[in-house]
Amino acid sequence: GAGVSQSPSNKVTEKGKDVELRCDPISGHTALYWYRQSLGQGLEFLIYFQGNSAPDKSGLPSDRFSAERTGGSVSTLTIQRTQQEDSAVYLCASSLDPRGLSYEQYFGPGTRLTVT
Amino acid sequence: LAKTTQPISMDSYEGQEVNITCSHNNIATNDYITWYQQFPSQGPRFIIQGYKTKVTNEVASLFIPADRKSSTLSLPRVSLSDTAVYYCLVVKDSSYKLIFGSGTRLLVRP
Repeated sequence: GAGVSQSPSNKVTEKGKDVELRCDPISGHTALYWYRQSLGQGLEFLIYFQGNSAPDKSGLPSDRFSAERTGGSVSTLTIQRTQQEDSAVYLCASSLDPRGLSYEQYFGPGTRLTVT
Repeated sequence: LAKTTQPISMDSYEGQEVNITCSHNNIATNDYITWYQQFPSQGPRFIIQGYKTKVTNEVASLFIPADRKSSTLSLPRVSLSDTAVYYCLVVKDSSYKLIFGSGTRLLVRP
């Protein structure tokens, strides 16, 4: 079946512009996660959705970052007034149910964001 | 959350068995040990998960001693396509947040 898809695959934007990153999770997966991977570094948790609710936004680095999920499916991560330190690969993952099976998260290919 | 320590890099040759050891001295009773694999320009992929003793699937084996303070991921007869970064994670039961460390960069040579 289809895996997690993300768009765009690459995004180059000018400092100060807003960007929207999209994630389509695996059908039927109730949990959705956003992570960020900076060059040469590990993955950093950003936010978790259960259905359309985000009970944990603790990983969002600043108030310029926001995310929403609609219909229990597609999610968008929005970065306002982008800064050069926002340059990274943004990864989305989904899982069937976070309770007890969250260790098996299915990741998308990521969106590589470059802020010039 | 239990901190994990694993080698930064390892080299191997095709056809060899590779063992990557991870230490997690502060693992808690309800923590599980989980391994992910990441190829360049791709998201991580779940490999295997275990609680104690030995777990085996079609990709790898995971050995966990009785004290659970370490674990070893074993990849049998590696091929060039096994070149990747391997992450050891300690995941609390019912947790949703995966905490990735620096991982082990495995290079398989011909």
